[in-house]
Amino acid sequence: DAKTTQPPSMDCAEGRAANLPCNHSTISGNEYVYWYRQIHSQGPQYIIHGLKNNETNEMASLIITEDRKSSTLILPHATLRDTAVYYCIAVRVNSNYQLIWGAGTKLIIKP
Amino acid sequence: GAVVSQHPSWVICKSGTSVKIECRSLDFQATTMFWYRQFPKQSLMLMATSNEGSKATYEQGVEKDKFLINHASLTLSTLTVTSAHPEDSSFYICSAPGAYEQYFGPGTRLTVT
Repeated sequence: DAKTTQPPSMDCAEGRAANLPCNHSTISGNEYVYWYRQIHSQGPQYIIHGLKNNETNEMASLIITEDRKSSTLILPHATLRDTAVYYCIAVRVNSNYQLIWGAGTKLIIKP
Repeated sequence: GAVVSQHPSWVICKSGTSVKIECRSLDFQATTMFWYRQFPKQSLMLMATSNEGSKATYEQGVEKDKFLINHASLTLSTLTVTSAHPEDSSFYICSAPGAYEQYFGPGTRLTVT
């Protein structure tokens, strides 16, 4: 499975858009980009995923570059409750969605 | 969305004793469940894949005789930490795959004294 690289930490002001980058330059054609987050001392939570096209749901937007080597997760109006560690993971199709976790980005939303 | 529960949410036990952690899928069936361990300030580490009706598959370096996994039904998987020691103190999390995502339990904090 492709390795992903994320900045270790980021700050964002409450109410502003939080843009979290992820590099996955070795991703293969049968791997999706998934984003999960983990709020302190809780189980992780699914956010969004995509293959090639940009995706949007009620939580976030996912922008994937045309060459698929990087992506950005966008939380459009960050709140204090969005403070968490965000994980970008490349997931192989038909792998039962088995996840290999990197270090993630600790996002701190500041009032 | 689908819900996965874990019990207990936290447990303190003495060194040498065994502890059982339950993972349940509340509103869906799961033929496969995953067990993770997370130490403070670290990421999740996959321990094993639990398969309903068959033996679990353990990741390299995880002792199968120490971490016993039983997946006896389509909604329940259990992880038993046998002869627990202080170094087994950790946050244990289970998950079950949905249509395109993993649903995670809230985690179990184990402290071995």
